[in-house]
Amino acid sequence: AQKVTQAQTEISVVEKEDVTLDCVYETRDTTYYLFWYKQPPSGELVFLIRRNSFDEQNEISGRYSWNFQKSTSSFNFTITASQVVDSAVYFCALSEAEDDKIIFGKGTRLHILP
Amino acid sequence: EAQVTQNPRYLITVTGKKLTVTCSQNMNHEYMSWYRQDPGLGLRQIYYSMNVEVTDKGDVPEGYKVSRKEKRNFPLILESPSPNQTSLYFCASSPINTGELFFGEGSRLTVL
Repeated sequence: AQKVTQAQTEISVVEKEDVTLDCVYETRDTTYYLFWYKQPPSGELVFLIRRNSFDEQNEISGRYSWNFQKSTSSFNFTITASQVVDSAVYFCALSEAEDDKIIFGKGTRLHILP
Repeated sequence: EAQVTQNPRYLITVTGKKLTVTCSQNMNHEYMSWYRQDPGLGLRQIYYSMNVEVTDKGDVPEGYKVSRKEKRNFPLILESPSPNQTSLYFCASSPINTGELFFGEGSRLTVL
Protein backbone atom coordinates (compact mmCIF):
# COMPACT_ATOMS: atom_id res chain seq x y z
CA ALA A 1 0.00 0.00 0.00
CA GLN A 2 1.15 3.52 -0.66
CA LYS A 3 2.22 5.73 2.19
CA VAL A 4 3.78 9.15 2.64
CA THR A 5 5.64 10.11 5.79
CA GLN A 6 6.56 13.64 6.74
CA ALA A 7 8.33 13.11 10.02
CA GLN A 8 8.79 16.81 10.77
CA THR A 9 5.55 18.06 12.23
CA GLU A 10 6.71 21.61 12.77
CA ILE A 11 9.89 23.53 11.97
CA SER A 12 10.92 27.05 12.90
CA VAL A 13 13.85 28.85 11.33
CA VAL A 14 15.01 32.43 11.24
CA GLU A 15 14.56 34.32 8.01
CA LYS A 16 17.34 33.85 5.45
CA GLU A 17 18.26 30.43 6.77
CA ASP A 18 17.97 27.42 4.51
CA VAL A 19 15.50 24.73 5.50
CA THR A 20 14.80 21.23 4.21
CA LEU A 21 11.45 19.48 4.53
CA ASP A 22 11.66 15.70 4.45
CA CYS A 23 9.33 13.34 2.63
CA VAL A 24 9.65 9.57 2.61
CA TYR A 25 7.28 7.43 0.60
CA GLU A 26 6.36 3.78 0.24
CA THR A 27 5.02 2.19 -2.90
CA ARG A 28 5.09 -1.17 -4.64
CA ASP A 29 4.51 0.38 -8.02
CA THR A 30 7.41 1.11 -10.37
CA THR A 31 5.57 4.01 -11.95
CA TYR A 32 4.44 6.71 -9.59
CA TYR A 33 4.31 10.45 -9.12
CA LEU A 34 5.39 12.64 -6.26
CA PHE A 35 4.14 16.10 -5.44
CA TRP A 36 4.56 19.00 -3.09
CA TYR A 37 1.73 21.35 -2.16
CA LYS A 38 1.79 24.51 -0.07
CA GLN A 39 -0.95 25.70 2.26
CA PRO A 40 -0.27 29.27 3.46
CA PRO A 41 -2.08 30.72 6.49
CA SER A 42 -4.90 31.89 4.23
CA GLY A 43 -5.83 28.22 3.78
CA GLU A 44 -5.75 27.56 0.07
CA LEU A 45 -3.77 24.65 -1.31
CA VAL A 46 -1.27 25.40 -4.04
CA PHE A 47 0.53 22.93 -6.28
CA LEU A 48 4.32 23.33 -6.28
CA ILE A 49 5.84 20.45 -8.20
CA ARG A 50 5.22 17.04 -9.77
CA ARG A 51 7.90 14.40 -10.32
CA ASN A 52 7.54 11.01 -11.99
CA SER A 53 9.42 7.95 -10.82
CA PHE A 54 11.60 7.82 -13.91
CA ASP A 55 12.99 11.28 -13.52
CA GLU A 56 15.49 11.54 -10.67
CA GLN A 57 16.91 14.84 -11.75
CA ASN A 58 16.83 17.44 -9.06
CA GLU A 59 14.65 20.43 -9.73
CA ILE A 60 15.32 24.04 -8.90
CA SER A 61 12.83 26.86 -9.12
CA GLY A 62 14.12 30.10 -7.71
CA ARG A 63 14.73 29.58 -4.00
CA TYR A 64 13.00 26.21 -4.06
CA SER A 65 14.70 22.93 -4.88
CA TRP A 66 13.70 19.32 -4.74
CA ASN A 67 15.89 16.25 -4.25
CA PHE A 68 14.39 12.98 -5.45
CA GLN A 69 16.28 9.84 -4.42
CA LYS A 70 14.72 6.50 -5.28
CA SER A 71 17.41 4.65 -3.33
CA THR A 72 16.09 6.12 -0.10
CA SER A 73 12.48 6.62 -1.25
CA SER A 74 12.73 10.29 -0.45
CA PHE A 75 11.58 13.47 -2.13
CA ASN A 76 12.91 16.32 -0.01
CA PHE A 77 12.16 19.99 -0.45
CA THR A 78 14.66 22.72 0.33
CA ILE A 79 13.98 26.43 0.63
CA THR A 80 17.09 28.55 0.32
CA ALA A 81 17.30 31.94 2.01
CA SER A 82 13.88 31.53 3.55
CA GLN A 83 11.44 34.41 3.76
CA VAL A 84 8.50 35.09 6.05
CA VAL A 85 6.16 34.49 3.11
CA ASP A 86 7.37 30.90 3.03
CA SER A 87 5.57 30.27 6.31
CA ALA A 88 2.98 27.62 5.52
CA VAL A 89 2.07 23.99 5.85
CA TYR A 90 3.74 21.90 3.19
CA PHE A 91 2.34 18.59 2.03
CA CYS A 92 4.08 15.85 0.14
CA ALA A 93 1.86 13.51 -1.91
CA LEU A 94 2.11 10.27 -3.89
CA SER A 95 0.10 8.83 -6.73
CA GLU A 96 0.65 5.38 -8.19
CA ALA A 97 0.04 4.66 -11.85
CA GLU A 98 -1.89 1.52 -10.92
CA ASP A 99 -4.18 3.37 -8.52
CA ASP A 100 -6.06 6.59 -8.95
CA LYS A 101 -5.75 7.63 -5.34
CA ILE A 102 -3.56 10.57 -4.42
CA ILE A 103 -2.22 10.12 -0.90
CA PHE A 104 -0.93 13.01 1.17
CA GLY A 105 1.46 13.09 4.08
CA LYS A 106 0.39 14.75 7.31
CA GLY A 107 2.20 17.92 6.42
CA THR A 108 5.02 19.98 7.92
CA ARG A 109 4.20 23.35 9.40
CA LEU A 110 7.02 25.77 8.63
CA HIS A 111 7.48 28.98 10.60
CA ILE A 112 9.89 31.55 9.23
CA LEU A 113 10.74 33.99 11.99
CA PRO A 114 11.67 37.57 11.12
CA GLU B 1 -10.92 32.34 -14.55
CA ALA B 2 -10.06 28.67 -13.97
CA GLN B 3 -11.38 27.63 -10.62
CA VAL B 4 -12.94 25.05 -8.35
CA THR B 5 -15.93 26.41 -6.46
CA GLN B 6 -17.27 24.90 -3.27
CA ASN B 7 -20.42 25.82 -1.40
CA PRO B 8 -21.10 26.47 1.35
CA ARG B 9 -17.79 27.77 2.67
CA TYR B 10 -18.99 27.54 6.26
CA LEU B 11 -21.77 25.49 7.74
CA ILE B 12 -22.93 24.62 11.23
CA THR B 13 -25.48 21.86 11.41
CA VAL B 14 -26.86 19.28 13.81
CA THR B 15 -26.43 15.55 13.98
CA GLY B 16 -28.57 13.68 11.50
CA LYS B 17 -29.56 16.57 9.27
CA LYS B 18 -28.66 15.68 5.71
CA LEU B 19 -26.44 18.12 3.89
CA THR B 20 -24.71 18.50 0.55
CA VAL B 21 -21.52 20.36 -0.20
CA THR B 22 -21.38 21.28 -3.84
CA CYS B 23 -18.25 21.37 -5.96
CA SER B 24 -17.96 22.67 -9.48
CA GLN B 25 -14.95 23.12 -11.77
CA ASN B 26 -14.74 25.01 -15.05
CA MET B 27 -11.55 23.47 -16.42
CA ASN B 28 -13.08 20.38 -18.06
CA HIS B 29 -11.03 18.14 -15.78
CA GLU B 30 -11.76 14.44 -15.76
CA TYR B 31 -10.52 13.78 -12.23
CA MET B 32 -12.25 15.15 -9.17
CA SER B 33 -11.77 14.34 -5.52
CA TRP B 34 -12.85 15.20 -2.01
CA TYR B 35 -10.47 15.49 0.94
CA ARG B 36 -10.95 16.27 4.58
CA GLN B 37 -8.30 18.04 6.59
CA ASP B 38 -8.03 17.48 10.32
CA PRO B 39 -5.32 18.68 12.72
CA GLY B 40 -2.45 16.24 12.88
CA LEU B 41 -3.93 14.01 10.18
CA GLY B 42 -3.18 15.98 7.05
CA LEU B 43 -5.39 15.56 3.99
CA ARG B 44 -7.30 12.33 3.71
CA GLN B 45 -9.09 11.32 0.55
CA ILE B 46 -12.80 10.60 0.90
CA TYR B 47 -13.92 9.80 -2.64
CA TYR B 48 -12.62 10.42 -6.11
CA SER B 49 -13.93 10.22 -9.63
CA MET B 50 -12.09 9.55 -12.86
CA ASN B 51 -14.99 10.68 -15.04
CA VAL B 52 -18.75 10.94 -15.32
CA GLU B 53 -20.56 8.09 -13.55
CA VAL B 54 -17.25 6.69 -12.24
CA THR B 55 -16.58 7.08 -8.53
CA ASP B 56 -14.32 5.24 -6.08
CA LYS B 57 -13.71 5.22 -2.37
CA GLY B 58 -10.69 6.90 -0.93
CA ASP B 59 -9.27 6.16 2.49
CA VAL B 60 -12.11 7.54 4.63
CA PRO B 61 -15.40 7.09 2.74
CA GLU B 62 -17.60 6.04 5.66
CA GLY B 63 -20.54 8.37 6.19
CA TYR B 64 -20.20 10.07 2.82
CA LYS B 65 -21.70 9.71 -0.63
CA VAL B 66 -20.81 11.32 -3.91
CA SER B 67 -22.17 11.45 -7.42
CA ARG B 68 -20.73 12.45 -10.79
CA LYS B 69 -23.61 13.01 -13.16
CA GLU B 70 -21.90 15.84 -14.98
CA LYS B 71 -18.23 16.35 -15.64
CA ARG B 72 -18.07 19.70 -13.89
CA ASN B 73 -19.90 18.80 -10.67
CA PHE B 74 -18.96 16.47 -7.84
CA PRO B 75 -21.17 17.00 -4.78
CA LEU B 76 -20.36 15.50 -1.39
CA ILE B 77 -23.38 14.22 0.51
CA LEU B 78 -23.58 13.59 4.22
CA GLU B 79 -26.81 11.63 4.67
CA SER B 80 -26.71 11.66 8.48
CA PRO B 81 -23.88 13.85 9.71
CA SER B 82 -22.20 13.07 13.00
CA PRO B 83 -19.84 15.19 15.13
CA ASN B 84 -16.80 13.20 13.94
CA GLN B 85 -17.45 14.64 10.49
CA THR B 86 -16.65 18.10 11.76
CA SER B 87 -13.76 19.05 9.52
CA LEU B 88 -12.40 21.22 6.75
CA TYR B 89 -13.33 19.78 3.38
CA PHE B 90 -11.57 20.40 0.10
CA CYS B 91 -12.73 19.57 -3.38
CA ALA B 92 -10.09 19.27 -6.08
CA SER B 93 -9.84 18.52 -9.78
CA SER B 94 -7.09 17.66 -12.20
CA PRO B 95 -6.75 16.61 -15.81
CA ILE B 96 -6.81 12.78 -15.97
CA ASN B 97 -5.17 12.31 -12.59
CA THR B 98 -1.93 14.07 -13.34
CA GLY B 99 -1.89 14.85 -9.68
CA GLU B 100 -1.67 18.55 -10.35
CA LEU B 101 -4.71 19.16 -8.25
CA PHE B 102 -6.57 22.42 -8.35
CA PHE B 103 -8.27 22.92 -5.01
CA GLY B 104 -11.37 24.77 -3.98
CA GLU B 105 -11.17 27.21 -1.10
CA GLY B 106 -12.45 24.71 1.41
CA SER B 107 -15.69 24.21 3.31
CA ARG B 108 -15.57 24.29 7.08
CA LEU B 109 -18.27 22.04 8.48
CA THR B 110 -19.28 21.81 12.12
CA VAL B 111 -21.70 19.11 13.24
CA LEU B 112 -23.18 19.66 16.69
